Amino acid sequence: NAGVTQTPKFRILKIGQSMTLQCAQDMNHNYMYWYRQDPGMGLKLIYYSVGAGITDKGEVPNGYNVSRSTTEDFPLRLELAAPSQTSVYFCASSYGTGKRGTEAFFGQGTRLTVV
Amino acid sequence: GEDVEQSLFLSVREGDSSVINCTYTDSSSTYLYWYKQEPGAGLQLLTYIFSNMDMKQDQRLTVLLNKKDKHLSLRIADTQTGDSAIYFCAESKRDSSASKIIFGSGTRLSIRP
Repeated sequence: NAGVTQTPKFRILKIGQSMTLQCAQDMNHNYMYWYRQDPGMGLKLIYYSVGAGITDKGEVPNGYNVSRSTTEDFPLRLELAAPSQTSVYFCASSYGTGKRGTEAFFGQGTRLTVV
Repeated sequence: GEDVEQSLFLSVREGDSSVINCTYTDSSSTYLYWYKQEPGAGLQLLTYIFSNMDMKQDQRLTVLLNKKDKHLSLRIADTQTGDSAIYFCAESKRDSSASKIIFGSGTRLSIRP
């Protein structure tokens, strides 16, 4: 299993540009998450999904959109990039049930800079 | 306010024990976790504890849970330079019909010789 795969690893955007951060998992997990980690800070939940076709807002959803058309993929869309969106973005997935409860498996992160 | 709180920094001498503390707010949390993040990497699960347990030991790691005070701690015995990382406390939190994981801000553990 590849686990959770994020692309790209790095990206520089100009203010007002758009982009999609890709996330795919091959573990057949129902739950998927997008977090952002600002420099020296913890993780903030942007959006999450409990299954294909279902998404919900986290703590900091403004400026982002997501979709979940398949179990495997959970892309994160930035429509009008702003400097405040400069951050490291982590995608994660989990079973959501079972002995380990909601243990999350993380991707390697996408480092985004908006200038 | 923050759902999960941790102190930001901890410095310990190599070979000593490290104790990282965390407080959480949701008394209905089912699982509580400790994740480790090494520089430039994603988070990896270190250990977890089910909410009906008080303690869990796994080699050099000891997790203590005080449900009454909503306090979780991670003790690392014989701390080594390879333990330098950011440690995140997390809880699984029910929100209507879904569970989501809420993380603390992370504690940066540094090891001095």
